[in-house]
Amino acid sequence: AQSVTQLDSHVSVSEGTPVLLRCNYSSSYSPSLFWYVQHPNKGLQLLLKYTSAATLVKGINGFEAEFKKSETSFHLTKPSAHMSDAAEYFCVVSDGSYGGSQGNLIFGKGTKLSVKP
Amino acid sequence: DTAVSQTPKYLVTQMGNDKSIKCEQNLGHDTMYWYKQDSKKFLKIMFSYNNKELIINETVPNRFSPKSPDKAHLNLHINSLELGDSAVYFCASSRGQGLGEQYFGPGTRLTVT
Repeated sequence: AQSVTQLDSHVSVSEGTPVLLRCNYSSSYSPSLFWYVQHPNKGLQLLLKYTSAATLVKGINGFEAEFKKSETSFHLTKPSAHMSDAAEYFCVVSDGSYGGSQGNLIFGKGTKLSVKP
Repeated sequence: DTAVSQTPKYLVTQMGNDKSIKCEQNLGHDTMYWYKQDSKKFLKIMFSYNNKELIINETVPNRFSPKSPDKAHLNLHINSLELGDSAVYFCASSRGQGLGEQYFGPGTRLTVT
């Protein structure tokens, strides 16, 4: 079965310093992977997605993630944190229920990012 | 214009009541979803629906039922509400089924007392 594990439930960084949110996945096939962000009391917004094209994926707001098959990882990074980045971040894998890499979304448990001034 | 909207934003009700949450999308998508987010922020899919197929997560009690009057709407009806139903419910939509990129509504916070 497909799953994702977010290794940190809470990450705290200072404004202007790099962000690293870690995610490992488990999949029996080449997966589709996503990062979603949820700001307080808001819905979820897609940050970026990997669907078997380039392994380094660039998303919105300066975020990027690298798909590493050998490490089964899809970590999210940003060179310099901004106060507005404070939110909950979800690593997501497609469960393949519709065949291949397509399917319903399986969410990780989330990582709360705090940004200190 | 809001892409995926839900009403109400907050819903407080008593155990045993029946309630509905409405969802509308103006993106022209043909697939819509309902998710439940518990107090620990864990998100789990409840239903996915397009004009051909309703897929129900087997863990969802049959007190929950999605109803779609048309492609742009997917409402969630909940009968005989229980305390454990308290959560935030998110509607989402996508172009095609299972293609991954979904657009989420702002959520409905349901509190059952």
